[in-house]
Amino acid sequence: NAGVTQTPKFQVLKTGQSMTLQCAQDMNHEYMSWYRQDPGMGLRLIHYSVGAGITDQGEVPNGYNVSRSTTEDFPLRLLSAAPSQTSVYFCASSYFDTQYFGPGTRLTVL
Amino acid sequence: GQSLEQPSEVTAVEGAIVQINCTYQTSGFYGLSWYQQHDGGAPTFLSYNALDGLEETGRFSSFLSRSDSYGYLLLQELQMKDSASYFCAVRDPSNTGKLIFGQGTTLQVKP
Repeated sequence: NAGVTQTPKFQVLKTGQSMTLQCAQDMNHEYMSWYRQDPGMGLRLIHYSVGAGITDQGEVPNGYNVSRSTTEDFPLRLLSAAPSQTSVYFCASSYFDTQYFGPGTRLTVL
Repeated sequence: GQSLEQPSEVTAVEGAIVQINCTYQTSGFYGLSWYQQHDGGAPTFLSYNALDGLEETGRFSSFLSRSDSYGYLLLQELQMKDSASYFCAVRDPSNTGKLIFGQGTTLQVKP
C-alpha cells in the first residue's frame, strides 16, 4: 500500500498562474480532504469529498476547485494563484476517525 | 458549532512526563483522536478514544472523560524526537468523515 500520495512535492508559481495538485489513495476510502497549513499554524480545511462525484467546501475554499471522478483521486486546482496561497497543502483520506495524510506539497507563489 | 482548545506550547526536559490537554465542544461526539506532526512533515495518527478512560500505547497514553468534554495525551520518558506539534481532533457531527482539529500544541523537549 502506498497510502496517500501527492505530487508535486514542491512548486513555485507566479501570480495569476493556475495549476493542479494531485492526490491519490489506494485504501478505498470514501472520504478525502484537502488542507492548507501556514507556518506555525493549524490545519485549515479547503474542500472535502464523501465519495466519487460528491464534493463540498471547507472553511477556506476561495480560489480553489476540486473534483472527484474516482474513489482514488482527488485533485485540487488553483484557479489564479495569489501570494496569499503560499502554504503547505496536505491531502488526506479517512477511515472513521483515523485520517491518513499525504506528504504534502510546498507551494510558493511569487 | 464544534471547537477544540489546547495549549499552544509546552516545554519539558528529556526523560520527564508531559500532559497535553484538550477540551472540546461539539453537538455530537464519537471520540477524540490525537495526531503528531514533526516540523516539515505530515500529521500522523497517534491514538483514538471513544470511551472514558486511559488507552496506552508504549510511551504514549491518551485519556478521555466524556462527561467533562476533556481529554489529554500523556507522553512518558520524553525523548528529543518527541519534539513536535500535537493536534487533538473530533469527528464532525455530520458523520461524513470530516475531522475538526484543534490548533495544535507545540512540544519542545530540552536536554
